[in-house]
Order: sequence, then structure tokens, then C-alpha cells
Amino acid sequence: KAGVTQTPRYLIKTRGQQVTLSCSPISGHRSVSWYQQTPGQGLQFLFEYFSETQRNKGNFPGRFSGRQFSNSRSEMNVSTLELGDSALYLCASNAGGPGTGELFFGEGSRLTVL
Amino acid sequence: GESVGLHLPTLSVQEGDNSIINCAYSNSASDYFIWYKQESGKGPQFIIDIRSNMDKRQGQRVTVLLNKTVKHLSLQIAATQPGDSAVYFCADLNYGQNFVFGPGTRLSVLP
Repeated sequence: KAGVTQTPRYLIKTRGQQVTLSCSPISGHRSVSWYQQTPGQGLQFLFEYFSETQRNKGNFPGRFSGRQFSNSRSEMNVSTLELGDSALYLCASNAGGPGTGELFFGEGSRLTVL
Repeated sequence: GESVGLHLPTLSVQEGDNSIINCAYSNSASDYFIWYKQESGKGPQFIIDIRSNMDKRQGQRVTVLLNKTVKHLSLQIAATQPGDSAVYFCADLNYGQNFVFGPGTRLSVLP
């Protein structure tokens, strides 16, 4: 069974631009969550989607948004990029509903904002 | 807000020794805990989990202990190997909510 797939793996953007990251969960998994990982901050929860609906949301500004499609694939978007948005963005899926069990993580999308 | 934290940011152990990584949590309603391992350039990988109705769970070379009285979690790695070098995160879950991750402990295995 294929794992969680994130694209792109690496990208470089400049301040003010926007970026879209994609995540394909493990087949059969309907819940997808996103985390931002920065040095010294650990993993910070962004949001979680289940059946195309956002079920939980972390404490991030409105520039960060996401969505989930009917095939459970998810995208997150960051608009008006700031230098502080440079991070590893991790997507995770789980077999149950929100907050029900083990998360399976992808390798992440490393975003650098110049 | 509620948070999960790790006591030590780094831990160095000799190859073959046992490692103990600690974690404190603050949410008394937390009912599920996971330890993750993250190697350089990779996403976190599941190591072991434990539910709040248990106080100990063993896996292959790993044991997780849960002390609900003092809200403390630990991960014990037996006979630590070079491949165990990584950052270890504990995560705390209150049913229906999102996981809260600690800042991580970097484990270095010395030859």
C-alpha cells in the first residue's frame, strides 16, 4: 500500500507570492491533517479535513487555507508569503475520523521564502 | 492552551545502552499518546502508542510508560543502536481533537 505522498518536495518562493501544496493520503484514509514544522517550534497543527470538511483548525492566520477533494486528496494554500512561512509542511492521514488514531505522515514539502 | 512538552532537547547515549526520553503533558482529558521518530529529511514515523487506560506498553525494543497521576510519558529504547539516532516526538490527543506535539528530543547514539 502506497504511503502519504506530498508534492512538491522542495520549492522556493519570494515574499508576497502564494503557494499550493498537495497531499495524497493512503488509499482508504479519509482524514487528512496538515502540520508546519520549523526549527525550535516542532510540529504545529494547521488544520484537519474529513470528508471534504474542515473539522479542526490550528492557530494560524487566514493566509493559510486548505481543502479536501472527494477522493480525499488535499491541498493547502499559503497566500502573501512571509519569510517566517519558510518551513517543512507535513501532511498526515489516518484511517478513522478526526482525532481518532495514529497519523501516517508524508515526507513533507520544504518551502523556502526569500 | 494545553500543550505537550519534552524535558530535554538533546540526549546522547552510548551504543548498546538504554535510552529514556521523557514527556510531560498538561491536558488531563488526553486519552491517547503516540511516540514518533523523525529521521533527517523524512516525515515522522510511528513508534508506539498507548491509551489512557494502560500504564505500560511494549514493542520491539521500545517501551512506553504512562503515569496519569503526574501526567508524564516516557519512551524507553533498549540496546540503543546507531539507527535510533533521530528526533523523537511525543504527541497527545484528546478524542475528536487534533494531536499536540512536543518540541522533540534529539537522540544521538555515540559509538
